[in-house]
Parts: sequence; structure tokens; C-alpha cells
Amino acid sequence: SQKIEQNSEALNIQEGKTATLTCNYTNYSPAYLQWYRQDPGRGPVFLLLIRENEKEKRKERLKVTFDTTLKQSLFHITASQPADSATYLCALVGGAGNNRKLIWGLGTSLAVNP
Amino acid sequence: DTAVSQTPKYLVTQMGNDKSIKCEQNLGHDTMYWYKQDSKKFLKIMFSYNNKELIINETVPNRFSPKSPDKAHLNLHINSLELGDSAVYFCASSQGGGSQPQHFGDGTRLSIL
Repeated sequence: SQKIEQNSEALNIQEGKTATLTCNYTNYSPAYLQWYRQDPGRGPVFLLLIRENEKEKRKERLKVTFDTTLKQSLFHITASQPADSATYLCALVGGAGNNRKLIWGLGTSLAVNP
Repeated sequence: DTAVSQTPKYLVTQMGNDKSIKCEQNLGHDTMYWYKQDSKKFLKIMFSYNNKELIINETVPNRFSPKSPDKAHLNLHINSLELGDSAVYFCASSQGGGSQPQHFGDGTRLSIL
């Protein structure tokens, strides 16, 4: 069956370090993968989209990689800050044509300690 | 200026009641969605509409009926509420189909007593 897995345990890191979050998937061949941030009591906020033919995408302190051979995406936050503390969700595009939809991982909770 | 707004933010009601949740987006997007996020934080799509037409209906019970009066609005009506309907319901929108980045509202927390 199709599965998306993210680190289930919370990630705690020290301010200034690089946070690396993992998203693994099985039985999918997604053309796109997206990363979102969700704060408690709020809706997810879109961060980055990466296509299957892109190995890496950057936006300010954020970097995403997409390895279709390993079926894995890594999400990095460099020079992390306490304000980066949140849950980070990866989402794959499943389905085809008009039925394209996002299939979501459960998210990884990140805590950046001052 | 809130991009995607949902009302109400909280909804506490008895089993068996009927309730509605409203959603509006001011981003000019052509596609809107309803998601359910359960207590384990799993986010699952329920419906999507493109230009007021139903595109995705993810095996949701008939008690749930979405309605899109225009491109900027997508409402969700739920009949005969059950305990298992307790969750956070999110509305979202995007320009283009489901592969595009989505903008979410802050959710409606539905609690069934």
C-alpha cells in the first residue's frame, strides 16, 4: 500500500544548528513534493515545492532535496531559530489529471532551543 | 486581510445535530478544498472544487455535503453528527489543481458531545 513516513519522534536542536527532517515514501511516483509548516491551532503554511526533475530547491534558510531513487525528501533549516519551532509536513501529489491531490505525512515536530 | 477564512472557529454540538462551516478565500483562486485533521494530526482530503464544480469526493459519508455558490466560497454542511466527526476541518484554496501550493484557513474545531 502507499505510505508516507516522516520522523515520528520530535526533533530537538540547539539554536544556530541545522535541522534536517526526513520524508520517505513507498509505492508512489510523485511528480511533485511539497513541504508545509503548521503551528498549533493554525492551518498548514506552504513553504517549498520541488519537482521530480529537480534535485534541490532553496529559499532563504530552507533547502529541500528530492531523491526519486531513494524515494526520499530531506528538508533542511540552516541557522535555526526558536521561531522555527513548529510541525513540518511533507505532502506528495497523488492521483492524475483532475484527481490530483496532496497525500500528507503525519509531520515532524521541531523544537529549537535557545 | 485574511486570505482564507473559515467560520466558526469552534463548534461544540450534540450528536445527531446538523451544522455548517463556511469558507471564503480572497486570493482569486479557482480551486478550493475541505480537509479533515483527526486527533492523530493526520490530514486527509475530503472534497475539492474547481470553478464551483466538484472534482474530488474522497469516499466521504453522504452526511457531508459541500456547496460552492461561487469560486470564492466553499461551505460544508454536516447532517446527523456522530462522535467520530470530532476533528479539525480545514478549508484551503489553490490556483490550478491539486498539485499546486495550497493556502489554508485556520480550521474549525468540531467537538461532538
